Amino acid sequence: QKEVEQDPGPLSVPEGAIVSLNCTYSNSAFQYFMWYRQYSRKGPELLMYTYSSGNKEDGRFTAQVDKSSKYISLFIRDSQPSDSATYLCAMSDLYHTNTGNQFYFGTGTSLTVIP
Amino acid sequence: DGGITQSPKYLFRKEGQNVTLSCEQNLNHDAMYWYRQDPGQGLRLIYYSQIVNDFQKGDIAEGYSVSREKKESFPLTVTSAQKNPTAFYLCASASGHTDTQYFGPGTRLTVL
Repeated sequence: QKEVEQDPGPLSVPEGAIVSLNCTYSNSAFQYFMWYRQYSRKGPELLMYTYSSGNKEDGRFTAQVDKSSKYISLFIRDSQPSDSATYLCAMSDLYHTNTGNQFYFGTGTSLTVIP
Repeated sequence: DGGITQSPKYLFRKEGQNVTLSCEQNLNHDAMYWYRQDPGQGLRLIYYSQIVNDFQKGDIAEGYSVSREKKESFPLTVTSAQKNPTAFYLCASASGHTDTQYFGPGTRLTVL
């Protein structure tokens, strides 16, 4: 079982729709949760960063973490064609060690917003 | 302007050659990372470094080497021992305080 599971899509929505992107994880030690947006042939860009459980809002984007269910979500309101990209979830644990990964990534969900 | 730079953007390598990918950051981050991204496989960790003059192997270190002589720089060498090097390579850095990674623009390596 992978540490982080993410539906690869592809997901296609009409402009103005609300988009919901999700990841599940297995390691209860994860405390930091991130969402990245990656345009084709570019590096991932940090969109949202959340510590522990709860919601965080930034403009049209809302990140939600439910640690009891080991489930995180990214909601995009009023989606725009410029939101068309691959969205990666990532997470890390509180206690860094010098062995193994610090950050664990989903495989990414490809989103297309149709004008 | 703070950030992470990678060069070159595109790189072509002949069979049997070693090539070095550059990664520089001016974010004053202690930790730096190299990932490989292949279609449908997400990000795979090659090497990471928590501090100058120290680095650790990631999940797919075979055929790669790194150095960390300066805090700002973490070059990756793809050696001829790497059997399938064609991929998109991403460098990242992280501050232990915020525990968040930031990525460079990537280098696309193609073996001819």
